[in-house]
Amino acid sequence: GEDVEQSLFLSVREGDSSVINCTYTDSSSTYLYWYKQEPGAGLQLLTYIFSNMDMKQDQRLTVLLNKKDKHLSLRIADTQTGDSAIYFCAESKPAGNNRKLIWGLGTSLAVNP
Amino acid sequence: SAVISQKPSRDICQRGTSLTIQCQVDSQVTMMFWYRQQPGQSLTLIATANQGSEATYESGFVIDKFPISRPNLTFSTLTVSNMSPEDSSIYLCSVDRSGEQFFGPGTRLTVL
Repeated sequence: GEDVEQSLFLSVREGDSSVINCTYTDSSSTYLYWYKQEPGAGLQLLTYIFSNMDMKQDQRLTVLLNKKDKHLSLRIADTQTGDSAIYFCAESKPAGNNRKLIWGLGTSLAVNP
Repeated sequence: SAVISQKPSRDICQRGTSLTIQCQVDSQVTMMFWYRQQPGQSLTLIATANQGSEATYESGFVIDKFPISRPNLTFSTLTVSNMSPEDSSIYLCSVDRSGEQFFGPGTRLTVL
């Protein structure tokens, strides 16, 4: 199947760490992405990880990939109110001569002061 | 990164009419993608547009309803034809650059 699943909501206190989880089903995925969408705004590519990596860190963001369990997570350290947004997980998989993204439904992150 | 612009940014249209959305990229790309994001939903791929060939449509989308042009490596258009209120959505174009996929700001379409 082509399912990418995420929990729909996450609420954290400002300054705490946020962990957003994602599971996928297709082991042929090459890249896995995290996108951020703020209210009324476009999609912003936050970070991505290649399927042969286990971890990627970029400032406050840490991506962990467990290929055996097909589990991807995004950790945001020291979460700020500006991090409030919807976070989409997506997997990239070959589709003929192209590549296509399969998207999760998004996790709405609420950061409380 | 890639700089992608879309026109119009939003429109309100009457049922039965058509709207053409333009997507311009700041540099040449082989593949351009058109997505739809319905209210409160995730993204759904409509079609992939490669320059010099017919667009490839995903299941549930047909060329008669969503004709696409790709005249060169920096530009594409998506037309939403014979619109109904169910077509109200955000339409986004996207490009793939070395494994990273970037999105335009989207066109917010409301059909009355």
